Amino acid sequence: DTAVSQTPKYLVTQMGNDKSIKCEQNLGHDTMYWYKQDSKKFLKIMFSYNNKELIINETVPNRFSPKSPDKAHLNLHINSLELGDSAVYFCASSQVAGSSYEQYFGPGTRLTVT
Amino acid sequence: DQQVKQNSPSLSVQEGRISILNCDYTNSMFDYFLWYKKYPAEGPTFLISISSIKDKNEDGRFTVFLNKSAKHLSLHIVPSQPGDSAVYFCAAPHYNQGGKLIFGQGTELSVKP
Repeated sequence: DTAVSQTPKYLVTQMGNDKSIKCEQNLGHDTMYWYKQDSKKFLKIMFSYNNKELIINETVPNRFSPKSPDKAHLNLHINSLELGDSAVYFCASSQVAGSSYEQYFGPGTRLTVT
Repeated sequence: DQQVKQNSPSLSVQEGRISILNCDYTNSMFDYFLWYKKYPAEGPTFLISISSIKDKNEDGRFTVFLNKSAKHLSLHIVPSQPGDSAVYFCAAPHYNQGGKLIFGQGTELSVKP
């Protein structure tokens, strides 16, 4: 059983398009996160939701919009994709909001914008 | 401002020997640290953690040491195995900012047979 799953694993698209990445966790956790790993391999937080409520919103362009329909799902929608959005995006989940401790990560979605 | 730093981008070790991965931090508010292991095309997986009330935590072949005065921690792997070849990230939760994990840049460990 996959604890944190993401779809798709690979996404190749053109500049200006709108795309979504989906994330689901079956761990019963109440907090979910989106991280971005850029070309320099830095892993940086983008968003966090606790029980469908946004609790972390880093300095991310507003072309990025997370949506959490329920606490097991956190999707990431990106409008008007740009070349600089090319990266690997990881979803993660943890049990306790405000105290991340161990976060469980999905396999990542490699987004390539051409 | 990189609050968690791993200054060695890569490390090569012979199988059976000890691997030592280092991590430094600047924020004295950090009181919990985690190590993650990442294989190519996979997400990071939790390896071991340490609270600031301890200076050592051991789990099988993996031991993490914390030196609070130096704001330094290290991960020791003994003995190293080829399957340990991966990128290792240290991280700290930032409680004042929603508990987000602040990651170091990672160290790529290569264990040669």
